Amino acid sequence: SQQGEEDPQALSIQEGENATMNCSYKTSINNLQWYRQNSGRGLVHLILIRSNEREKHSGRLRVTLDTSKKSSSLLITASRAADTASYFCATSTNTGFQKLVFGTGTRLLVSP
Amino acid sequence: EPEVTQTPSHQVTQMGQEVILRCVPISNHLYFYWYRQILGQKVEFLVSFYNNEISEKSEIFDDQFSVERPDGSNFTLKIRSTKLEDSAMYFCASSGTGGMNTEAFFGQGTRLTVV
Repeated sequence: SQQGEEDPQALSIQEGENATMNCSYKTSINNLQWYRQNSGRGLVHLILIRSNEREKHSGRLRVTLDTSKKSSSLLITASRAADTASYFCATSTNTGFQKLVFGTGTRLLVSP
Repeated sequence: EPEVTQTPSHQVTQMGQEVILRCVPISNHLYFYWYRQILGQKVEFLVSFYNNEISEKSEIFDDQFSVERPDGSNFTLKIRSTKLEDSAMYFCASSGTGGMNTEAFFGQGTRLTVV
């Protein structure tokens, strides 16, 4: 089984709209992190949510975590063309030093 | 803002050659990692390193791979005899603690192409 599956795989929206991406995972976790990757570039850390937290905000980002459903969502409000990127969730499980297990990612395209 | 830096950004090598990928983690961080991303696939954990030794490694990290912190600032990944399937983007990351709830900061990656 795979840890960390995002959906949708691709999302295309207009500037100003909200974008919601979902992540599901299979094992218990300590935290879940969201990263952004611009095409062919590095991974930029967006937000970390602990397993005992349900919601977290950072600027235009809102992350929720439902450990009973083993799922998380990332909401980007009032999207901009610069938000165009791939977004990954990554889970940190109960063992190991920050061994992050990444999902498959959602490719977000924000059109002007 | 402190950042993880990786060099080179792109390396092309012949199959069977040795390559060394270099990373300078964030200066006060203690935990270091290598991940890789084969084109179009997930980012995969390779190895974590703390206190001058490997703390965890994946099944990908076989005897062809080694890591080293040769001085107080650099962290390197060596692939002894590269194979075509080693072609990937390699990311270095560091965190202040290895604790369960700290962010890992990633570098921009080294794109390794084995021909």
